[in-house]
Amino acid sequence: QKEVEQDPGPLSVPEGAIVSLNCTYSNSAFQYFMWYRQYSRKGPELLMYTYSSGNKEDGRFTAQVDKSSKYISLFIRDSQPSDSATYLCAMSAGRDDKIIFGKGTRLHILP
Amino acid sequence: NAGVTQTPKFQVLKTGQSMTLQCAQDMNHNSMYWYRQDPGMGLRLIYYSASEGTTDKGEVPNGYNVSRLNKREFSLRLESAAPSQTSVYFCASSAFPGLSLSYEQYFGPGTRLTVT
Repeated sequence: QKEVEQDPGPLSVPEGAIVSLNCTYSNSAFQYFMWYRQYSRKGPELLMYTYSSGNKEDGRFTAQVDKSSKYISLFIRDSQPSDSATYLCAMSAGRDDKIIFGKGTRLHILP
Repeated sequence: NAGVTQTPKFQVLKTGQSMTLQCAQDMNHNSMYWYRQDPGMGLRLIYYSASEGTTDKGEVPNGYNVSRLNKREFSLRLESAAPSQTSVYFCASSAFPGLSLSYEQYFGPGTRLTVT
């Protein structure tokens, strides 16, 4: 079992819909959880960062971490065509530890 | 403020040739990383460096060496390139600034390497 599992998609949703992206993980030592957005032929950019469990909101984006289930989610409200990209989850056990990525989910927002 | 820069942007090598990918950051970050990204495989960590003078292996270190020259620079060397090393390589740097629980990480634009 890979440490971090993420459905590759593609996921297609109509503009304005709420998008839900998810990852599961197996290493209970993970404490730091991140979501990145990557446009085609570009480097990833950090979207959201959460330490331990709980929710974090930033504009249209909400990140949730459920450590008891080893499950993290990213919600995008009022989705826009410009949100079309690959979204990668990542996690780490410590501040100086390696960061492990999921394979990424390709998201298409249909106008 | 240039962020994370990588050179070169593109490279074609023949099997057995060597090359060094350069990475530099100007954000005074302690941690730096090298990843490779292949279709359907996501980002896989090759090596990382938590601070100047330290390096550690990631998920796929075989065939690579790294050097943390100073706090700014982290280079990746392919001693004898193989077709399996054809990939897009990303360098990144990160830090937990201050005493808050914030976190910042930036990626470079990538190096597209083809080994024939």
